[in-house]
Amino acid sequence: DAGVTQSPTHLIKTRGQHVTLRCSPISGHKSVSWYQQVLGQGPQFIFQYYEKEERGRGNFPDRFSARQFPNYSSELNVNALLLGDSALYLCASSNAGTGRSNEKLFFGSGTQLSVL
Amino acid sequence: AQSVTQLGSHVSVSEGALVLLRCNYSSSVPPYLFWYVQYPNQGLQLLLKYTTGATLVKGINGFEAEFKKSETSFHLTKPSAHMSDAAEYFCAVYNQAGTALIFGKGTTLSVSS
Repeated sequence: DAGVTQSPTHLIKTRGQHVTLRCSPISGHKSVSWYQQVLGQGPQFIFQYYEKEERGRGNFPDRFSARQFPNYSSELNVNALLLGDSALYLCASSNAGTGRSNEKLFFGSGTQLSVL
Repeated sequence: AQSVTQLGSHVSVSEGALVLLRCNYSSSVPPYLFWYVQYPNQGLQLLLKYTTGATLVKGINGFEAEFKKSETSFHLTKPSAHMSDAAEYFCAVYNQAGTALIFGKGTTLSVSS
């Protein structure tokens, strides 16, 4: 079975542009989460979606948005890019919803976004 | 609020030596704790997790961790380091709502021959 797949793997944008990152979860997984990992830091939570509904949001500005499609794939959109948005964006999937689940997250290899 | 602190941003060991990576947590509810490993240019791979029950947790690749409530710690150990263990290691705890993992800043493990 395929793992979590993300596209593209690398992306270069300029300040002020918009970007869309895509994620396909493991087959059968209904939850997708997005994390931002700045160089030298641990991943920071951006969003969680379960059954196409937003179930959690981290401390990120409104320039960041996401959605989940009926096939459970997901897109992360970032508007008005800033230099500080340069990071590795990780997608993770699981079969768990909200609550204090002990289900583990399966991570993709990420999209490396560079903003110039 | 939940948080984790990883002590030591960089740990260096010789091949065959004991590996000890330290993690302390803060949680207002019984914590669910995790250790992940990240190899260069890759995503995160789960090493092990603690939810409830046995406090000594065994994971993949010979790693294990012990949950110590009295010390609010969840340190990761491996008896004998291999060159292939060189990577970035992250300790994490679930937030109270169970919607997100809160990660530490990571510890880079270097293994020399």
